[in-house]
Amino acid sequence: ELKVEQNPLFLSMQEGKNYTIYCNYSTTSDRLYWYRQDPGKSLESLFVLLSNGAVKQEGRLMASLDTKARLSTLHITAAVHDLSATYFCAVLTNAGKSTFGDGTTLTVKP
Amino acid sequence: EAGVAQSPRYKIIEKRQSVAFWCNPISGHATLYWYQQILGQGPKLLIQFQNNGVVDDSQLPKDRFSAERLKGVDSTLKIQPAKLEDSAVYLCASRRPGSSYNEQFFGPGTRLTVL
Repeated sequence: ELKVEQNPLFLSMQEGKNYTIYCNYSTTSDRLYWYRQDPGKSLESLFVLLSNGAVKQEGRLMASLDTKARLSTLHITAAVHDLSATYFCAVLTNAGKSTFGDGTTLTVKP
Repeated sequence: EAGVAQSPRYKIIEKRQSVAFWCNPISGHATLYWYQQILGQGPKLLIQFQNNGVVDDSQLPKDRFSAERLKGVDSTLKIQPAKLEDSAVYLCASRRPGSSYNEQFFGPGTRLTVL
């Protein structure tokens, strides 16, 4: 059974600081997705990482994928309050099944 | 293009009652997913359809949950009878086969409260 683990599960940051969220998974896959979820809302796609070494950036967020280590990271640069949300990573198997991590709830404080 | 539509958005029922949720995927998306998201957890896949056929229902509690997608377009998920632990948000997602990203698009979800 594919397991996806995120850490930390809760993260409180000061505005302007940097931090990294980690996503480890237990089986071979070369497709990894990052989503954002605001309270009471559905999931919004942030990044799709398709191959080893893939790096994507959007604003203050940067995601990377290391398929050999089975690790993806989501790096936050100079955090702002608007980034407060829950972030999920999800791994897609070759059979097309997605398994999600339990999410990292980020709170950015002034 | 229109997104994934779900209804109702909210439902409150008592335990042992029945409930049904409806999902209309993005036009042309042959793959449809139902997820259960319990508060504080990530979405858990319940069932995956490809057109009107079931691809994966290994995590669907079949003694009480059922789902269908008769014409390969919209889908319904039913719970009968509901238990307290079924309180969750039920998310529908769809995907267009053959897309290089295999990206899923999620609907707004149905929040179910079982009392």
